[in-house]
Amino acid sequence: GAGVSQSPSNKVTEKGKDVELRCDPISGHTALYWYRQSLGQGLEFLIYFQGNSAPDKSGLPSDRFSAERTGGSVSTLTIQRTQQEDSAVYLCASSLASGANTGELFFGEGSRLTVL
Amino acid sequence: AQSVTQLGSHVSVSEGALVLLRCNYSSSVPPYLFWYVQYPNQGLQLLLKYTSAATLVKGINGFEAEFKKSETSFHLTKPSAHMSDAAEYFCAVSDHGNNRLAFGKGNQVVVIP
Repeated sequence: GAGVSQSPSNKVTEKGKDVELRCDPISGHTALYWYRQSLGQGLEFLIYFQGNSAPDKSGLPSDRFSAERTGGSVSTLTIQRTQQEDSAVYLCASSLASGANTGELFFGEGSRLTVL
Repeated sequence: AQSVTQLGSHVSVSEGALVLLRCNYSSSVPPYLFWYVQYPNQGLQLLLKYTSAATLVKGINGFEAEFKKSETSFHLTKPSAHMSDAAEYFCAVSDHGNNRLAFGKGNQVVVIP
């Protein structure tokens, strides 16, 4: 597709379960970001991948959160032992290498996670 | 780290009236500043950006923003609101050192007929 694709669009899970969220970036974009959007909290940075460099994981809120990016393309965000406070919309964005400086981040529609 | 402040989570504006969304930033270096818009059930899209060229920046759908260094502001305006402007608007600043955008909490704009 032409845009950033995220799946699932909606996920309802029980507290304590693990979830995986997938992001397929725009072809040719070397930078990939995960953000979390909570009600009234804006967008919270989680993790950033740039090419083959080590990812910037400084935004991950706890060690229950992890992400990987295979082959420089598709990324998976994994949340282990989910808690109710993890309920949010998880947004993925991709850009060319200089995206953060030019603001040209292209966002997917997000994965809405609800933890019961 | 750089940050932005957006006050007033919900903003109501009458159709045809001025839209004004305020954004103030904190930065120790000249920033790059952005406004993004999120329409219902859609992803965020770039509305306009300031990258140290002209201080008055024009974006899509009739929006514009002015960078004022003395006020550390980057307020977004549109002279006449349209029903289709109902959306959430986010101000963001580029954190050069960490290759990421820092976003404000957003303004939910409601347009009243």
